[in-house]
Parts: sequence; C-alpha cells; structure tokens
Amino acid sequence: DTGVSQNPRHKITKRGQNVTFRCDPISEHNRLYWYRQTLGQGPEFLTYFQNEAQLEKSRLLSDRFSAERPKGSFSTLEIQRTEQGDSAMYLCASSPTASNTGELFFGEGSRLTVL
Amino acid sequence: DQQVKQNSPSLSVQEGRISILNCDYTNSMFDYFLWYKKYPAEGPTFLISISSIKDKNEDGRFTVFLNKSAKHLSLHIVPSQPGDSAVYFCAASAGNNDMRFGAGTRLTVKP
Repeated sequence: DTGVSQNPRHKITKRGQNVTFRCDPISEHNRLYWYRQTLGQGPEFLTYFQNEAQLEKSRLLSDRFSAERPKGSFSTLEIQRTEQGDSAMYLCASSPTASNTGELFFGEGSRLTVL
Repeated sequence: DQQVKQNSPSLSVQEGRISILNCDYTNSMFDYFLWYKKYPAEGPTFLISISSIKDKNEDGRFTVFLNKSAKHLSLHIVPSQPGDSAVYFCAASAGNNDMRFGAGTRLTVKP
C-alpha cells in the first residue's frame, strides 16, 4: 500500500501527558499537511510543510503543539501537556507541489482521546 | 472563521434519483474547489474538483457547478447509488496551500 500512513491509529492518554503522532506521506509528494477534525466538523488546517520547511501554521496550533518533518519525508506531530479539548482525529495529508486537481491525499487519521 | 459552509448536515435521497449537495464560501481569493467523500473510520478521499476559471466539471455520475458571483458551488450525483452513502466535504483553497473545509453533509441513499 503506497498511500499516506498514520500511526498510531488510536491513542488514549491522561490529561497532562505528551503524545506524538507519525505520518508517512506518499513518497514522491513534497507537501505534507496536518489537520484536526472534531465531531460534526470538517477538517481544520493546522500546518503544512514543503519538503522539510514548515511554511504555514494555523493559530489553532498553540505552543503545546509542534510538528516536524526533519528529512522532508515522514512527519511527527507532538502535543505536550494534553488537555481534554485536544481530543480529536488528527489527519495527515500529502500532495505533489504541482497538482492539476489540487487534491490532497489523506491518511486514515490518528484518533486522540484525552481522559 | 467559517469561510466554507455546508448548511445541510444531512440529505436523504432514493436510489436512482439525483443528489444535490450545496456549499457556500466567503473568500473571493479561493481559486480551487474540491469535494471529498468520507466513509466511517477512513480519511477523506478526493472526488472531484473545479478551478475558479470554470463553471462546470463533470466526471461520470458526478458534476460540480461553480457560481462565482453567488460564491456557491454544488455537487450533483446522478443516478445516486446506495454506495454513495457517506459524508461529503466541500473544500476550497487559495494557491493550493491552506485548504478550508466545510462541516460536511451526510448523504444517505435509500435502496
């Protein structure tokens, strides 16, 4: 399977703990995006990378959130001192730099539950 | 700020009939509009898109219409099939960077 892969698929943690999610994009895609989706809402943009450079960050990304893409391949999203409001599905997507359709290719998501 | 809005949370249609899903946007800088389909426990998958320089794009049973003056787009599915039952998200981007999504419309196609 050469699609976008996310791990873990589901994480349950206690409030105050740190969690890290990993995303492996489609190998030839230069762009990588992180989105957050809560119940009844569409995906909300968090941040995106062009290769290893983080080019844009949403104001939703508080200082407890950090994302990296050190070698321009896989990416990690870390949430420090988790809060119950962080409970959501975290979606990763990738795309080539130039796309005729503007399509993003999404992974299956990592669901975070903060108790 | 809800720049992309889907005002109908759900839609139910009979198999074989037309499904029409609507989407409104506020940002006139958007230059690409997309529809994604999402099944439970899966990520959204791309369905069809349209550039702001066009007013219609068709792909098989799926057609997207764009009305820039009204800042409105719609997705037509005809004929609707039970396998089309899913949540449909409208999305828009300016410069293919920060893509904004609507809240989704849950389509149910009844046999």
